[in-house]
Amino acid sequence: EVQLVESGGGLVKPGGSLRLSCAASGFSFSDAWMNWVRQAPGKGLEWVGRIKTITDGGTADSAAPVKGRFTLSRDDSKNMLYLQMSSLKTEDTAVYYCLTVFETTGPFWGRGTTVTVSS
Amino acid sequence: DTVMTQSPGSLAVSLGERATINCESSQTVLYSSNNRNYLAWYQQKPGQPPKLLISWASTRESGVPDRFSGSGSGTDFTLTISSLQADDAAVYYCHQYYSIPFTFGGGTKVEIK
Repeated sequence: EVQLVESGGGLVKPGGSLRLSCAASGFSFSDAWMNWVRQAPGKGLEWVGRIKTITDGGTADSAAPVKGRFTLSRDDSKNMLYLQMSSLKTEDTAVYYCLTVFETTGPFWGRGTTVTVSS
Repeated sequence: DTVMTQSPGSLAVSLGERATINCESSQTVLYSSNNRNYLAWYQQKPGQPPKLLISWASTRESGVPDRFSGSGSGTDFTLTISSLQADDAAVYYCHQYYSIPFTFGGGTKVEIK
C-alpha cells in the first residue's frame, strides 16, 4: 500500500525553525520527484517546493514566498523527504502535505501535518 | 506560472440535480508527447486532506462514484457531478501538475439547496 506520512508539525514562535518529515512507503521512493504543498486555515492550496530524484540531479525548487527560508531535502536510504523551515512567519501557518505524482494514477497526497507560527 | 481560474466560486444544487464546475488554465496542461492532460480534481471536506477524484483530466480514481466525471483538454476543463448526493457537499479544487509551480484553482464550494 502506498503511503506518505508527514510529521514534525507544531507550534513555533515567529522567527523560529522547524523540520517537517514525510515517510514514504509502498513505492520506489528513489525514483519519485517529491513535493510539498500547504494550506493556510480557511484558504486554498499552495505549492511550496519540489525536489527531483538523485538520478535527475537531486535539485530543489521553491515557491517565491519561501525561497531562501525553506529547504527541501531527501534521504533515499530511509525513504524520507524533509522540509527545513527557518525564519518562520505567521503567514506560514498551514497544514503541510507531501505529494508525488505517479505516471499511472496521478497525484498522491499524505494526510498532512499542522504548523502554527504564533507568539 | 500557470494560473488556474475556477468557476463558480460557489453553487447550491438540489439533491439529484447536476453540478458543473469549470477550470481554465492560462497555459496548456496537455503534454503533446504522451497526449495526457496533467489536470486533477479534488474534493475536500473540513478537517480533511484533499481527496483525489479525477486525474489526467478524465480518469476517475478507484472507488470514486461514477456520478463524478471529468472532461476537457488543453486549457479548459470541467468536473461534473451528475446527480448530487448529500455527501457531495464540499469544496472542489482543480490542480495542474504539468509544470512547477504546481497551481490550484481557488475552489468551488458546493452546497445542497
